[in-house]
Amino acid sequence: GAGVSQSPRYKVAKRGQDVALRCDPISGHVSLFWYQQALGQGPEFLTYFQNEAQLDKSGLPSDRFFAERPEGSVSTLKIQRTQQEDSAVYLCASSPYGLSGANVLTFGAGSRLTVL
Amino acid sequence: QKEVEQNSGPLSVPEGAIASLNCTYSDRGSQSFFWYRQYSGKSPELIMSIYSNGDKEDGRFTAQLNKASQYVSLLIRDSQPSDSATYLCAVTNDYKLSFGAGTTVTVRA
Repeated sequence: GAGVSQSPRYKVAKRGQDVALRCDPISGHVSLFWYQQALGQGPEFLTYFQNEAQLDKSGLPSDRFFAERPEGSVSTLKIQRTQQEDSAVYLCASSPYGLSGANVLTFGAGSRLTVL
Repeated sequence: QKEVEQNSGPLSVPEGAIASLNCTYSDRGSQSFFWYRQYSGKSPELIMSIYSNGDKEDGRFTAQLNKASQYVSLLIRDSQPSDSATYLCAVTNDYKLSFGAGTTVTVRA
């Protein structure tokens, strides 16, 4: 597609539910990032994929967060047993480059998660 | 202390004026510096990147970098109502961006 596509755009979950957020990057983009943006804050790094390899997951807040990109294209961010503090916008970004990918990032519109 | 600090907003400027945004960062190893614009409810959009000390101009935008002072700024000349948005400063020394909290700019017609 022409841009980075994320779904769902909006998700309301009850505390304790599991959620899955999908990112469809620009075709052929090597690098894929997930960021979390709380209300009134800047995005915070969660995890980085180069093709199908998850090279960095240091930003994932807890072991309830899991991300995968099994075929090097679409990625899914899964949050188990959601908590209210997980409420945020989850942004996916992709780049055609590898480790210098931060220099040319295209962000998706984000998935806004609200945990009640 | 946050890695990236931005001057607190909101910043209100009249149409046609210059909007000045400031950003400081703590990691002296940072190599790449970016300004993103984010409209309310939308994704961040890259408007400027700068890698070496000095000024870089692109249209009505000028980015300034001073690595010795660990300081980055963005000037928006001839501000337009369409410039009303939150501006995010981001820095990196590898592949992870560290963002500031953003400065919200409102341009008054």
